[in-house]
Amino acid sequence: AQSVTQPDIHITVSEGASLELRCNYSYGATPYLFWYVQSPGQGLQLLLKYFSGDTLVQGIKGFEAEFKRSQSSFNLRKPSVHWSDAAEYFCAVVDDSNYQLIWGAGTKLIIKP
Amino acid sequence: DAGVTQSPTHLIKTRGQQVTLRCSPISGHKSVSWYQQVLGQGPQFIFQYYEKEERGRGNFPDRFSARQFPNYSSELNVNALLLGDSALYLCASSLGSGANVLTFGAGSRLTVL
Repeated sequence: AQSVTQPDIHITVSEGASLELRCNYSYGATPYLFWYVQSPGQGLQLLLKYFSGDTLVQGIKGFEAEFKRSQSSFNLRKPSVHWSDAAEYFCAVVDDSNYQLIWGAGTKLIIKP
Repeated sequence: DAGVTQSPTHLIKTRGQQVTLRCSPISGHKSVSWYQQVLGQGPQFIFQYYEKEERGRGNFPDRFSARQFPNYSSELNVNALLLGDSALYLCASSLGSGANVLTFGAGSRLTVL
């Protein structure tokens, strides 16, 4: 069965520092991959997606992610974080049996002033 | 344009009661999916409806049911509530039934006492 692993439960970075959130998936073929962000009390907002093509994808709010088939990874990056980026970040892959999303457990991002 | 709207935003029930949650998709979206998000975890797929037909069901007991109306809005019903049903229930809409981008509502927070 497909699965998504986000190894870091919490990550703390200083405002202005760079950020990388890790995501690993298990899937044989080319996956459809997503990153979503969830602020407290809010629903999930799509940051970016990868379906095919260029393995470096750009998203909203200055985020980008790189699909690396050899490492089964889809890590999220941002060169300089802002206090407003504090939230929980979820990586997800499309389940090819029902086209729904299989989610990682999330990484909570904490920003130090 | 209105996004995905869910009601109620918060509700408290006691064990054994029944609850109905409602969702209105983005205009033009014909697919609605329901997810359960327990605190500290990623969302889990419950149901997908497309053109008023059930297209997918996650690993949830028969106490959970849903339907989609001719205007594409949807209801999720949970009978005989258990403490473990306490969660954020998220509705998402998309254009089609395949591997589409999901747009989420803010969710309905259910607390079972």
